[in-house]
Amino acid sequence: NAGVTQTPKFQVLKTGQSMTLQCAQDMNHNSMYWYRQDPGMGLRLIYYSASEGTTDKGEVPNGYNVSRLNKREFSLRLESAAPSQTSVYFCASSEAWGSGANVLTFGAGSRLTVL
Amino acid sequence: QKEVEQNSGPLSVPEGAIASLNCTYSDRGSQSFFWYRQYSGKSPELIMFIYSNGDKEDGRFTAQLNKASQYVSLLIRDSQPSDSATYLCAVPLENRDDKIIFGKGTRLHILP
Repeated sequence: NAGVTQTPKFQVLKTGQSMTLQCAQDMNHNSMYWYRQDPGMGLRLIYYSASEGTTDKGEVPNGYNVSRLNKREFSLRLESAAPSQTSVYFCASSEAWGSGANVLTFGAGSRLTVL
Repeated sequence: QKEVEQNSGPLSVPEGAIASLNCTYSDRGSQSFFWYRQYSGKSPELIMFIYSNGDKEDGRFTAQLNKASQYVSLLIRDSQPSDSATYLCAVPLENRDDKIIFGKGTRLHILP
């Protein structure tokens, strides 16, 4: 089992360029997430998807779009990249344990630099 | 004010001592509470979660939850240098089990 796979691992963009971060999970999880992590800021939720066909905004959705392509895949798109979007991006998926707690499994992260 | 608050640290603890990490949250409706550990340059990984008031123990780790006071803590007994990491508190908010928000994390440094 690969768990959660993110691509690419590293990317450098120029201001105004667009790109898509890809995420796939093979654990049959219903929920998927995109977080960004900046120094001293912890993880901030960008968007999440509770199930195939649904997406919801998190704490910092501006400048991003997402697509839940199917149960396995959840992509994050930057339409016009800005230097403020320089960050490490983590994709995660979750399963609900019997108590209702959603335990997150994270991908390895994608480091994005916008010049 | 962020909805999940943690002291950013760094918290320095001698090897073998107890490390105490705290987290407060704003949403009284939150039902489950998570502690993740993140080593530098790595992804977060789950340490434990708790959803009932009181203590939950797992090896050297104990999570404590007080819903009335809206705080959750993590105690690490017999701290080891390998415990040096950032500890992230996570809480589902707005009555959504899947809308999971993290605190900024506390950097823990265990002194050999």
